[in-house]
Amino acid sequence: DAGVIQSPRHEVTEMGQEVTLRCKPISGHDYLFWYRQTMMRGLELLIYFNNNVPIDDSGMPEDRFSAKMPNASFSTLKIQPSEPRDSAVYFCASSLGGGLSGNTIYFGEGSWLTVV
Amino acid sequence: AQSVTQLGSHVSVSEGALVLLRCNYSSSVPPYLFWYVQYPNQGLQLLLKYTSAATLVKGINGFEAEFKKSETSFHLTKPSAHMSDAAEYFCAVSAPGGGADGLTFGKGTHLIIQP
Repeated sequence: DAGVIQSPRHEVTEMGQEVTLRCKPISGHDYLFWYRQTMMRGLELLIYFNNNVPIDDSGMPEDRFSAKMPNASFSTLKIQPSEPRDSAVYFCASSLGGGLSGNTIYFGEGSWLTVV
Repeated sequence: AQSVTQLGSHVSVSEGALVLLRCNYSSSVPPYLFWYVQYPNQGLQLLLKYTSAATLVKGINGFEAEFKKSETSFHLTKPSAHMSDAAEYFCAVSAPGGGADGLTFGKGTHLIIQP
């Protein structure tokens, strides 16, 4: 199995620019999660989708952040405009059945974002 | 709401020694518990999980963890540390009624293996 695929792996951008992170979940999985990892706050759940529908976006820090899932095999996380404090590793993850049932959530390799 | 506390942001052990990484959880309902490992510049990989079957759970790479309800703990152990075990370890909890369908993670414990 190919696993969760994220792109880009590394991104350096200037403050104010738009950033788009992409994710391809594992085929057949019906849940998709976006997490952010920073030294200060650890791993935070930003948003998750079930069957392509956003279920809970309460973790999205600001209106500058948005996420979409137009189909079962693709999702994007967009930051517009970006700020230096957005620098972090962004993980996409997917699962079959969701975490509340004890199902395993599989993580991608992460997108390392630096905003200068 | 559920939460996880990992005691010790850094743990250092000698190669061949016992590894013990501590995790305590808070949940108003029976939880599901997970341990993930993150190697440098990589994503998170599942080590093991507790889903209300056996309280002693065995995972990959010789790791195991025991669910103790009375202590609200899910500590991770390995009898003999190997250099390749050096990584960041995360405990996570998921509980029905917790709101989000994802996992709530602890802050992580960085495991250092001394030669």
